[in-house]
Amino acid sequence: NAGVTQTPKFQVLKTGQSMTLQCAQDMNHEYMSWYRQDPGMGLRLIHYSVGAGITDQGEVPNGYNVSRSTTEDFPLRLLSAAPSQTSVYFCASSSKRGGYNEQFFGPGTRLTVL
Amino acid sequence: AQSVTQLGSHVSVSEGALVLLRCNYSSSVPPYLFWYVQYPNQGLQLLLKYTTGATLVKGINGFEAEFKKSETSFHLTKPSAHMSDAAEYFCAVSLPSSGSARQLTFGSGTQLTVLP
Repeated sequence: NAGVTQTPKFQVLKTGQSMTLQCAQDMNHEYMSWYRQDPGMGLRLIHYSVGAGITDQGEVPNGYNVSRSTTEDFPLRLLSAAPSQTSVYFCASSSKRGGYNEQFFGPGTRLTVL
Repeated sequence: AQSVTQLGSHVSVSEGALVLLRCNYSSSVPPYLFWYVQYPNQGLQLLLKYTTGATLVKGINGFEAEFKKSETSFHLTKPSAHMSDAAEYFCAVSLPSSGSARQLTFGSGTQLTVLP
Protein backbone atom coordinates (compact mmCIF):
# COMPACT_ATOMS: atom_id res chain seq x y z
CA ASN A 1 0.00 0.00 0.00
CA ALA A 2 1.23 3.46 -0.89
CA GLY A 3 -1.15 5.02 1.65
CA VAL A 4 -1.91 8.69 0.96
CA THR A 5 0.07 10.25 -1.85
CA GLN A 6 0.26 13.91 -2.82
CA THR A 7 1.66 15.63 -5.88
CA PRO A 8 3.51 17.83 -6.43
CA LYS A 9 5.81 18.05 -3.40
CA PHE A 10 6.76 21.64 -4.15
CA GLN A 11 5.13 24.31 -6.30
CA VAL A 12 5.74 27.99 -6.97
CA LEU A 13 2.93 30.05 -8.48
CA LYS A 14 2.46 33.63 -9.48
CA THR A 15 -0.49 35.60 -8.12
CA GLY A 16 -3.59 34.87 -10.17
CA GLN A 17 -2.47 31.51 -11.53
CA SER A 18 -4.56 28.42 -10.98
CA MET A 19 -3.48 24.91 -10.15
CA THR A 20 -4.66 21.60 -8.75
CA LEU A 21 -3.07 19.75 -5.86
CA GLN A 22 -3.52 16.04 -6.26
CA CYS A 23 -4.33 13.59 -3.47
CA ALA A 24 -4.90 9.86 -3.80
CA GLN A 25 -5.32 7.02 -1.33
CA ASP A 26 -5.33 3.28 -1.93
CA MET A 27 -6.92 2.18 1.35
CA ASN A 28 -10.53 2.42 0.18
CA HIS A 29 -11.19 5.08 2.81
CA GLU A 30 -14.50 6.88 2.72
CA TYR A 31 -13.33 10.08 4.38
CA MET A 32 -10.82 12.48 2.89
CA SER A 33 -9.80 15.95 4.00
CA TRP A 34 -7.56 18.84 3.05
CA TYR A 35 -5.70 20.88 5.65
CA ARG A 36 -3.31 23.78 5.42
CA GLN A 37 -0.48 24.25 7.87
CA ASP A 38 0.86 27.68 8.72
CA PRO A 39 3.50 28.56 11.32
CA GLY A 40 2.06 28.95 14.81
CA MET A 41 -1.45 28.00 13.68
CA GLY A 42 -1.41 24.23 13.51
CA LEU A 43 -3.48 22.61 10.79
CA ARG A 44 -6.75 24.10 9.62
CA LEU A 45 -9.42 22.20 7.71
CA ILE A 46 -10.14 23.50 4.21
CA HIS A 47 -12.61 21.01 2.73
CA TYR A 48 -13.60 17.44 3.41
CA SER A 49 -15.52 14.59 1.83
CA VAL A 50 -17.44 11.71 3.40
CA GLY A 51 -17.64 9.75 0.16
CA ALA A 52 -17.63 9.97 -3.61
CA GLY A 53 -19.84 12.81 -4.77
CA ILE A 54 -20.12 14.40 -1.32
CA THR A 55 -18.01 17.36 -0.19
CA ASP A 56 -18.34 20.08 2.40
CA GLN A 57 -16.51 23.16 3.64
CA GLY A 58 -14.19 23.25 6.59
CA GLU A 59 -12.82 26.18 8.57
CA VAL A 60 -10.98 28.02 5.76
CA PRO A 61 -12.60 27.15 2.40
CA ASN A 62 -12.36 30.50 0.59
CA GLY A 63 -10.27 30.41 -2.58
CA TYR A 64 -10.35 26.61 -2.85
CA ASN A 65 -12.58 24.13 -4.66
CA VAL A 66 -12.81 20.37 -4.34
CA SER A 67 -14.60 17.50 -5.99
CA ARG A 68 -14.75 13.76 -5.26
CA SER A 69 -15.60 11.76 -8.35
CA THR A 70 -13.95 8.56 -7.10
CA THR A 71 -13.22 7.04 -3.70
CA GLU A 72 -9.48 7.21 -4.36
CA ASP A 73 -8.96 10.81 -5.46
CA PHE A 74 -9.65 14.17 -3.81
CA PRO A 75 -8.04 17.05 -5.73
CA LEU A 76 -7.83 20.57 -4.33
CA ARG A 77 -8.10 23.43 -6.81
CA LEU A 78 -6.80 26.94 -6.35
CA LEU A 79 -8.78 29.10 -8.75
CA SER A 80 -6.72 32.31 -8.56
CA ALA A 81 -3.70 31.97 -6.30
CA ALA A 82 -2.95 34.67 -3.75
CA PRO A 83 0.14 35.18 -1.53
CA SER A 84 -2.06 34.37 1.49
CA GLN A 85 -2.33 30.82 0.15
CA THR A 86 1.38 30.23 0.63
CA SER A 87 1.34 27.26 2.95
CA VAL A 88 1.95 23.56 3.33
CA TYR A 89 -1.07 21.50 2.31
CA PHE A 90 -1.86 18.08 3.73
CA CYS A 91 -4.38 15.57 2.55
CA ALA A 92 -5.73 12.95 4.97
CA SER A 93 -8.01 9.95 4.80
CA SER A 94 -9.77 7.66 7.25
CA SER A 95 -12.22 4.78 7.28
CA LYS A 96 -15.68 4.79 8.80
CA ARG A 97 -15.57 1.08 9.53
CA GLY A 98 -15.03 -0.17 13.08
CA GLY A 99 -15.69 3.02 15.00
CA TYR A 100 -13.30 5.93 15.10
CA ASN A 101 -10.15 5.27 13.08
CA GLU A 102 -7.08 7.38 12.76
CA GLN A 103 -6.58 9.81 9.94
CA PHE A 104 -3.68 8.99 7.66
CA PHE A 105 -1.79 11.98 6.32
CA GLY A 106 0.06 12.42 3.08
CA PRO A 107 3.59 13.89 2.94
CA GLY A 108 2.35 17.37 2.03
CA THR A 109 2.67 19.90 -0.78
CA ARG A 110 4.67 23.04 -0.08
CA LEU A 111 3.14 25.90 -2.08
CA THR A 112 4.63 29.36 -2.53
CA VAL A 113 2.62 32.13 -4.21
CA LEU A 114 4.64 35.11 -5.36
CA ALA B 1 -17.29 24.55 18.89
CA GLN B 2 -14.20 22.84 20.23
CA SER B 3 -10.72 24.33 20.60
CA VAL B 4 -7.26 23.17 21.61
CA THR B 5 -4.53 25.07 23.43
CA GLN B 6 -0.96 23.84 23.54
CA LEU B 7 1.09 25.64 26.17
CA GLY B 8 4.58 26.36 24.96
CA SER B 9 5.38 26.58 21.28
CA HIS B 10 8.94 25.42 21.98
CA VAL B 11 10.10 22.96 24.63
CA SER B 12 13.71 21.90 25.20
CA VAL B 13 14.77 18.92 27.29
CA SER B 14 18.02 17.10 27.83
CA GLU B 15 18.44 13.59 26.51
CA GLY B 16 17.18 11.19 29.18
CA ALA B 17 14.98 13.77 30.86
CA LEU B 18 11.21 13.71 31.22
CA VAL B 19 9.20 15.03 28.30
CA LEU B 20 5.97 16.87 29.17
CA LEU B 21 3.94 18.57 26.44
CA ARG B 22 0.77 20.28 27.58
CA CYS B 23 -2.61 20.25 25.90
CA ASN B 24 -5.89 21.67 27.13
CA TYR B 25 -9.14 21.50 25.25
CA SER B 26 -12.51 23.17 25.26
CA SER B 27 -15.54 21.15 24.31
CA SER B 28 -19.20 21.04 25.19
CA VAL B 29 -19.18 17.24 25.24
CA PRO B 30 -16.48 14.66 25.98
CA PRO B 31 -14.27 14.70 22.91
CA TYR B 32 -11.95 12.30 21.18
CA LEU B 33 -8.34 13.40 21.76
CA PHE B 34 -5.21 12.78 19.73
CA TRP B 35 -1.51 13.47 19.66
CA TYR B 36 0.27 13.58 16.31
CA VAL B 37 4.00 13.93 15.62
CA GLN B 38 5.54 15.60 12.58
CA TYR B 39 9.17 15.02 11.71
CA PRO B 40 10.87 17.59 9.45
CA ASN B 41 9.47 17.69 5.92
CA GLN B 42 7.07 14.84 6.61
CA GLY B 43 3.36 14.39 7.15
CA LEU B 44 1.69 13.80 10.51
CA GLN B 45 1.83 10.45 12.26
CA LEU B 46 -0.57 9.39 15.00
CA LEU B 47 1.16 8.90 18.37
CA LEU B 48 -1.87 7.95 20.43
CA LYS B 49 -5.57 8.59 20.85
CA TYR B 50 -8.25 8.61 23.52
CA THR B 51 -11.83 7.82 22.55
CA THR B 52 -13.44 5.97 25.46
CA GLY B 53 -12.42 3.69 28.32
CA ALA B 54 -9.10 3.85 30.16
CA THR B 55 -7.99 7.44 30.60
CA LEU B 56 -4.27 6.62 30.45
CA VAL B 57 -3.38 5.75 26.90
CA LYS B 58 -0.08 4.46 25.62
CA GLY B 59 1.24 5.22 22.19
CA ILE B 60 4.20 4.53 20.02
CA ASN B 61 7.82 5.31 20.87
CA GLY B 62 7.20 5.18 24.63
CA PHE B 63 4.80 8.13 24.77
CA GLU B 64 1.64 8.17 26.86
CA ALA B 65 -1.08 10.65 27.71
CA GLU B 66 -3.77 10.90 30.35
CA PHE B 67 -7.25 12.26 29.77
CA LYS B 68 -8.30 14.35 32.77
CA LYS B 69 -11.87 15.49 32.34
CA SER B 70 -11.88 17.69 35.44
CA GLU B 71 -8.86 19.60 34.14
CA THR B 72 -9.87 19.40 30.44
CA SER B 73 -6.32 18.27 29.75
CA PHE B 74 -4.55 15.62 27.69
CA HIS B 75 -0.85 16.12 28.39
CA LEU B 76 1.74 14.02 26.57
CA THR B 77 4.63 12.49 28.51
CA LYS B 78 7.64 10.30 27.99
CA PRO B 79 9.88 9.29 30.90
CA SER B 80 13.19 9.57 29.06
CA ALA B 81 13.76 11.71 25.98
CA HIS B 82 15.75 10.42 23.05
CA MET B 83 17.41 12.47 20.36
CA SER B 84 15.05 10.92 17.82
CA ASP B 85 12.07 12.48 19.64
CA ALA B 86 12.96 15.92 18.29
CA ALA B 87 9.94 16.91 16.21
CA GLU B 88 6.79 18.99 16.27
CA TYR B 89 3.87 17.63 18.24
CA PHE B 90 0.24 18.46 17.70
CA CYS B 91 -2.69 17.88 19.99
CA ALA B 92 -6.06 17.52 18.25
CA VAL B 93 -9.68 17.08 19.24
CA SER B 94 -12.73 15.72 17.50
CA LEU B 95 -16.31 15.55 18.64
CA PRO B 96 -18.03 12.15 18.59
CA SER B 97 -21.03 13.89 17.07
CA SER B 98 -18.96 14.88 14.05
CA GLY B 99 -19.40 11.24 13.14
CA SER B 100 -19.03 10.90 9.43
CA ALA B 101 -17.10 14.13 9.09
CA ARG B 102 -14.18 13.03 11.28
CA GLN B 103 -13.08 16.64 11.49
CA LEU B 104 -10.03 17.34 13.61
CA THR B 105 -9.31 20.64 15.33
CA PHE B 106 -5.59 21.05 15.94
CA GLY B 107 -3.58 22.99 18.45
CA SER B 108 -0.84 25.29 17.23
CA GLY B 109 1.89 22.75 17.87
CA THR B 110 4.90 22.35 20.17
CA GLN B 111 8.41 22.05 18.77
CA LEU B 112 10.41 19.65 20.93
CA THR B 113 14.19 20.01 20.99
CA VAL B 114 16.29 17.33 22.66
CA LEU B 115 19.69 18.50 23.86
CA PRO B 116 22.65 16.11 24.07
